[in-house]
Amino acid sequence: EAGVTQFPSHSVIEKGQTVTLRCDPISGHDNLYWYRRVMGKEIKFLLHFVKESKQDESGMPNNRFLAERTGGTYSTLKVQPAELEDSGVYFCASSRWRVEKLFFGSGTQLSVL
Amino acid sequence: KQEVTQIPAALSVPEGENLVLNCSFTDSAIYNLQWFRQDPGKGLTSLLLIQSSQREQTSGRLNASLDKSSGRSTLYIAASQPGDSATYLCAVESSGTYKYIFGTGTRLKVLA
Repeated sequence: EAGVTQFPSHSVIEKGQTVTLRCDPISGHDNLYWYRRVMGKEIKFLLHFVKESKQDESGMPNNRFLAERTGGTYSTLKVQPAELEDSGVYFCASSRWRVEKLFFGSGTQLSVL
Repeated sequence: KQEVTQIPAALSVPEGENLVLNCSFTDSAIYNLQWFRQDPGKGLTSLLLIQSSQREQTSGRLNASLDKSSGRSTLYIAASQPGDSATYLCAVESSGTYKYIFGTGTRLKVLA
């Protein structure tokens, strides 16, 4: 069974540019989460999808961040325009049910210069 | 607001030693607690999940306990090996939410 896949693994962009991160969850996992770790801080929740519906986006920093999950399969997280403080590692995780271990991808290291 | 603290921040032990990693949380109204392992440059791997109604979970050399009333969980690693070297993260899902609050982790190094 394939794990959670994220790409790109690294992205270096300049301030003001747009970046789109992609996450492919494990097949059949309805729950999909985005988390982020900025340097030196703990991992923080961004948002949660159940199938294609956003259940909780309370962790999204501001309206420069847009997440989608069309068709309830893969998800994208777009940052537009990117700012310096957006740099960090963006993780995607999925699970079939709520009471189940979370399966994480390897993350996307985003550097905004 | 739920806060999760892990002590110690870093730990170095000789191979074969039994060790305990600590996690404390401020709000006892939790739904689940998970212990994760992260290797450098990799994603997180869930080691153990404890539901709020459970007191402990075991997997191989790992044992995690949960005491909701005192806001604590411990991860016990028996007979540590160099391959156990990694960062261990505790994460708490508060009741009524689907989001985990993470601690900052304990960086473990097991010396051969």
